[in-house]
Amino acid sequence: SYVLTQPPSVSVAPGKTARITCGGDNIASKSVHWYQQKAGQAPVLVIYYNRDRPSGIPVRFSGSNSGNTATLTISRVEAGDEADFYCQVWDSSSDHVVFGGGTKLTVL
Amino acid sequence: EVQLVESGGDLLQPGGSLRLSCAASGFTFDSYTMIWVRQAPGKGLEWVSSITSTGFTIYYADSVKGRFTISRDNAKNSLYLQMNSLRAEDTAVYYCVRDSGDYGDFWGQGTLVTVSS
Repeated sequence: SYVLTQPPSVSVAPGKTARITCGGDNIASKSVHWYQQKAGQAPVLVIYYNRDRPSGIPVRFSGSNSGNTATLTISRVEAGDEADFYCQVWDSSSDHVVFGGGTKLTVL
Repeated sequence: EVQLVESGGDLLQPGGSLRLSCAASGFTFDSYTMIWVRQAPGKGLEWVSSITSTGFTIYYADSVKGRFTISRDNAKNSLYLQMNSLRAEDTAVYYCVRDSGDYGDFWGQGTLVTVSS
């Protein structure tokens, strides 16, 4: 089955740019979606179809997808951005929804 | 306002059965695929099952296939998950999620299922 690989943790200072990667075999051929989950809360969609933002999500959140890596970029990071982030795809070969293992974003 | 409210979580012994429910409101329920996603304590998200808008097409994760059954009642705007032969590794918060095109745009707050002797 299809596997998505994320780094367990990413740390960034306030005001800097955080980049969270999601690796998968030829992931560029798939649509990648990203979720933010703050402590004790349900996940929230922050990016869909690689780079689209739902209403209410700040423009500081952006996405890209190329080759074997999709990336969630958070510009001008704020303390309130600290959370776990998950990438997700639909694997049509197995008819399965697939999540990455998650990345904990720490704001220093 | 879209709302998804899960219920039915409980503490039960291995081998037991449980039925989770999800009450949907604020959108045209019978137009959307719905999914269940779970999260074990301190772990990541795991997709459990999906059901298309009409209920005709259903998918399961390998970890629950043959033990769990997803269903929906569009007249009642409700989604269900019947869980049988429960194991300790099924312990998790179970989320009801609206699927808007292979992604979950709205999530419920979850219901906790604990399987322990």
